[in-house]
Amino acid sequence: GAGVSQSPRYKVAKRGQDVALRCDPISGHVSLFWYQQALGQGPEFLTYFQNEAQLDKSGLPSDRFFAERPEGSVSTLKIQRTQQEDSAVYLCASSLDLMTEGVQETQYFGPGTRLLVL
Amino acid sequence: DAKTTQPNSMESNEEEPVHLPCNHSTISGTDYIHWYRQLPSQGPEYVIHGLTSNVNNRMASLAIAEDRKSSTLILHRATLRDAAVYYCILRGGTSYGKLTFGQGTILTVHP
Repeated sequence: GAGVSQSPRYKVAKRGQDVALRCDPISGHVSLFWYQQALGQGPEFLTYFQNEAQLDKSGLPSDRFFAERPEGSVSTLKIQRTQQEDSAVYLCASSLDLMTEGVQETQYFGPGTRLLVL
Repeated sequence: DAKTTQPNSMESNEEEPVHLPCNHSTISGTDYIHWYRQLPSQGPEYVIHGLTSNVNNRMASLAIAEDRKSSTLILHRATLRDAAVYYCILRGGTSYGKLTFGQGTILTVHP
């Protein structure tokens, strides 16, 4: 079946531009996560949705970062006024339903969007 | 969140077993031990998880020490496709579902 997809796969932005990164989770998956991965580092948590509700945004590095999932399916991560330090791979992951399996639930990751800010 | 410690890198030859260690001395009683791996230019993928007993699946085996302060991911016959970064992650308590990745272990497999 189809996995998690992300678009675009690569994005080059000039400093100060706004960018929007899209995530299509696995159909029927209730939980959705965004992670940021800097070069040579492990992914770091940004934010979490349960359906359309954003339950945790504690990992968003600044108020320039905004995520939404208005219909509980597709999610968009928006970065306003991009800075060079925003250059990273942005990963999206989905899982069936944390409320039933909790910390045993497997997360399925997309291939990521590689963002380069010049 | 409880922390894990892994070697930065390991090497193996193709078709030989690989034992990837992970130390988690501050693990709590409700923490599950999860392993994910990340192949080059891909997102992480789930490998295996366990709580107290050893676990086996089609990808790997997980051996958990009796005191749960360490665990070992075992790849029984490494292939070139197993070359990846392997992450040992504890999940439990207030962390609900988010994954806290460390640096992981870079596994190199030689033909």
